[in-house]
Amino acid sequence: SQELEQSPQSLIVQEGKNLTINCTSSKTLYGLYWYKQKYGEGLIFLMMLQKGGEEKSHEKITAKLDEKKQQSSLHITASQPSHAGIYLCGADIRGSYGGSQGNLIFGKGTKLSVKP
Amino acid sequence: NAGVTQTPKFRVLKTGQSMTLLCAQDMNHEYMYWYRQDPGMGLRLIHYSVGEGTTAKGEVPDGYNVSRLKKQNFLLGLESAAPSQTSVYFCASSYGLAGHTGELFFGEGSRLTVL
Repeated sequence: SQELEQSPQSLIVQEGKNLTINCTSSKTLYGLYWYKQKYGEGLIFLMMLQKGGEEKSHEKITAKLDEKKQQSSLHITASQPSHAGIYLCGADIRGSYGGSQGNLIFGKGTKLSVKP
Repeated sequence: NAGVTQTPKFRVLKTGQSMTLLCAQDMNHEYMYWYRQDPGMGLRLIHYSVGEGTTAKGEVPDGYNVSRLKKQNFLLGLESAAPSQTSVYFCASSYGLAGHTGELFFGEGSRLTVL
């Protein structure tokens, strides 16, 4: 979706290095979701952020939400080959009445490769 | 526990043919979604449903129709397939978004090729 921009589009890192993926929405967010997709497979839920300043962690993956900037960052510490895949952010855009619209739109994804 | 099951997993169609993709979930979820995934385009929402008997358009609904006659099933139809509909289609379901974890449970995908 053009309403949701992810950067970078692709990333190649050496095993053990840290990395950050960004997701920016052009519309007001009700919630921001991070998913991971292994090549040729379905998506796996990582975490959901809803409140400004909220930060959540899942193993070595941490995500933060900057509500003012309508932006979220996903940070991987000490990357491993198992982290390789496509990371997608999904946005629940705030509806006209201020609540959830009931669906998720996704960014184009960031393809992560981790070199051993 | 099967989760979200899509059938068929692969299909090749000729331009102008019709077909239906079936999505079935056994988690008693209210919300169901159909997305398509194309290289460099990410996931794009086609149609979704917030409950049995309801459907709504997503980002790219043209050329597709959907039905949710039973809570556990969400059908995606292509009345007259076009090469531009060559894609991988993903179905997903959830309890809802607001007030829940918001996790969407995805099927494994259906790869459709239109010649």
